[in-house]
Amino acid sequence: NAGVTQTPKFQVLKTGQSMTLQCAQDMNHNSMYWYRQDPGMGLRLIYYSASEGTTDKGEVPNGYNVSRLNKREFSLRLESAAPSQTSVYFCASSAITGAYEQYFGPGTRLTVT
Amino acid sequence: EDQVTQSPEALRLQEGESSSLNCSYTVSGLRGLFWYRQDPGKGPEFLFTLYSAGEEKEKERLKATLTKKESFLHITAPKPEDSATYLCAVQGAGATNKLIFGTGTLLAVQP
Repeated sequence: NAGVTQTPKFQVLKTGQSMTLQCAQDMNHNSMYWYRQDPGMGLRLIYYSASEGTTDKGEVPNGYNVSRLNKREFSLRLESAAPSQTSVYFCASSAITGAYEQYFGPGTRLTVT
Repeated sequence: EDQVTQSPEALRLQEGESSSLNCSYTVSGLRGLFWYRQDPGKGPEFLFTLYSAGEEKEKERLKATLTKKESFLHITAPKPEDSATYLCAVQGAGATNKLIFGTGTLLAVQP
């Protein structure tokens, strides 16, 4: 039981390049989330998917798109990377939405130059 | 606006020296308060969920308590392996899918 997995672990992009961060969970959870973590800012929600087939914006969605590919997988895409998107990105999942604990993946450290 | 403030920002303890971390929150209708542990270069690891004032939860050397305005994470006789950043998050009634995180307390336990 791997929990939440993310790929890649590290990535360096040039400004304007695009990439997709992949996330998968094997806990049969319905809800999945993407966060970014910046020094002094705490974790901030980018997008979430309450259930398969639905996605909604979080606190900081600008510059990102998501796809809930199936119940297990939730990807985050940067269409045209900017230096302000340099951050550590975490995927999380929970059984359902609401006041239920979220389980996090190991993170992707992204640097945009 | 929902808000979470954690204090202190950093705490250094000697092994065996008990202490508490604080999480003050402002939220419109608390649905849940969550504690996580985060090791360097890793994702947050879930510790506890508290739902209502007066509730307490324990796990090994950690005990989390909740009042209407704050939560405490008590660490009893800490060991060096308890060194990590401890994160607090709240979910309010008006934001069914959104956790508001504090910036964390960095705990270092010296042997």
